[in-house]
Amino acid sequence: KAGVTQTPRYLIKTRGQQVTLSCSPISGHRSVSWYQQTPGQGLQFLFEYFSETQRNKGNFPGRFSGRQFSNSRSEMNVSTLELGDSALYLCASSRRDSNTDTQYFGPGTRLTVL
Amino acid sequence: AQKITQTQPGMFVQEKEAVTLDCTYDTSDQSYGLFWYKQPSSGEMIFLIYQGSYDEQNATEGRYSLNFQKARKSANLVISASQLGDSAMYFCAMRGLDSNYQLIWGAGTKLIIKP
Repeated sequence: KAGVTQTPRYLIKTRGQQVTLSCSPISGHRSVSWYQQTPGQGLQFLFEYFSETQRNKGNFPGRFSGRQFSNSRSEMNVSTLELGDSALYLCASSRRDSNTDTQYFGPGTRLTVL
Repeated sequence: AQKITQTQPGMFVQEKEAVTLDCTYDTSDQSYGLFWYKQPSSGEMIFLIYQGSYDEQNATEGRYSLNFQKARKSANLVISASQLGDSAMYFCAMRGLDSNYQLIWGAGTKLIIKP
């Protein structure tokens, strides 16, 4: 069974640009969550999508947005990039069929903003 | 508010020794789940083990076991017979019944296995 895939794996952008990251969940998983990981702030929850609807949102500015398609693939977009957006962006998928189910992560997209 | 505390920023352990990574949590939820993940330098977060708050037995998965002490609100990860490939960051995470499915993460412990 294929795992969670994320594209691209590495990205270099300049301030003010926008970026779109993609995440394909494990087959059968309908929930996709996005996290930002930085050395200073650790792992921070961005948002979660389930059945094409945003279910939860973390404490990030509106420049961070996402969506989910009917095949459960998800994209996140960051507009007007800032230096502080440099981070590892991880997505995780799960069935979301119980409060105890497990999130499985992709390899991440490492974004560098210059 | 829910919180996860990992008090060991870094640990050095000799290969083949057992290692215990500490995790304490705080929650007012009666039902919750505790997770441990491993993150090698490549960046991918790898799920290791899960413990439910109502599970009476400690979870085990191969060389990984979880020492769950509910009254003390601790969920320590034990790795038996450590290997060089165990060198990584280890994160403890929790999700409560009322947490809107969000995982709450600890700061992590960097484990280095010495040959």
